[in-house]
Amino acid sequence: GAVVSQHPSWVICKSGTSVKIECRSLDFQATTMFWYRQFPKQSLMLMATSNEGSKATYEQGVEKDKFLINHASLTLSTLTVTSAHPEDSSFYICSAGDRARGYGYTFGSGTRLTVV
Amino acid sequence: GEDVEQSLFLSVREGDSSVINCTYTDSSSTYLYWYKQEPGAGLQLLTYIFSNMDMKQDQRLTVLLNKKDKHLSLRIADTQTGDSAIYFCAESNQAGTALIFGKGTTLSVSS
Repeated sequence: GAVVSQHPSWVICKSGTSVKIECRSLDFQATTMFWYRQFPKQSLMLMATSNEGSKATYEQGVEKDKFLINHASLTLSTLTVTSAHPEDSSFYICSAGDRARGYGYTFGSGTRLTVV
Repeated sequence: GEDVEQSLFLSVREGDSSVINCTYTDSSSTYLYWYKQEPGAGLQLLTYIFSNMDMKQDQRLTVLLNKKDKHLSLRIADTQTGDSAIYFCAESNQAGTALIFGKGTTLSVSS
């Protein structure tokens, strides 16, 4: 079945530095990639939607200059948390879909970001 | 806006059936999903149902959809300790759009 590889699984970084999270679709073309953030014991909050070759669409309240999304190819999307602060510590999950399929999205295994 | 509601906790004994319920508000929901999340992991798609279906069965999983009441349920037969996880109900009204998730139901299975 469809697999999305997300790296790193966890990362600890110093406040003020930037962190890049990668998601790769391994056996299908991810025309659309969704980036979510999940706080402990809470649901997934959609941050942004990106279509291959287009600029990402950010949800209200999500700073696009802080959370840079690149979806330059059909198999790779990246989320860069710039100038990270402790309040950015969270679990980030990507989800890839093939628009042609339309049902079911494949999720990455998530990245636990801790900013110290 | 759209909203998806779930009960937060469910506790069952091994071997019993588990029923996790979900309600949604968007009457134009076309696709409804159940995902499973184990601690520290991503989400695993368990099953999905189209809005023109009433029921779908897949091995130990049975999904029931009452479109009139906007109610979705997931039944897990012969629940095992390995089924302990958080289960998310999600919906979308259009192919290729982001999913709207409920807050998740934590299923605890005791032996």
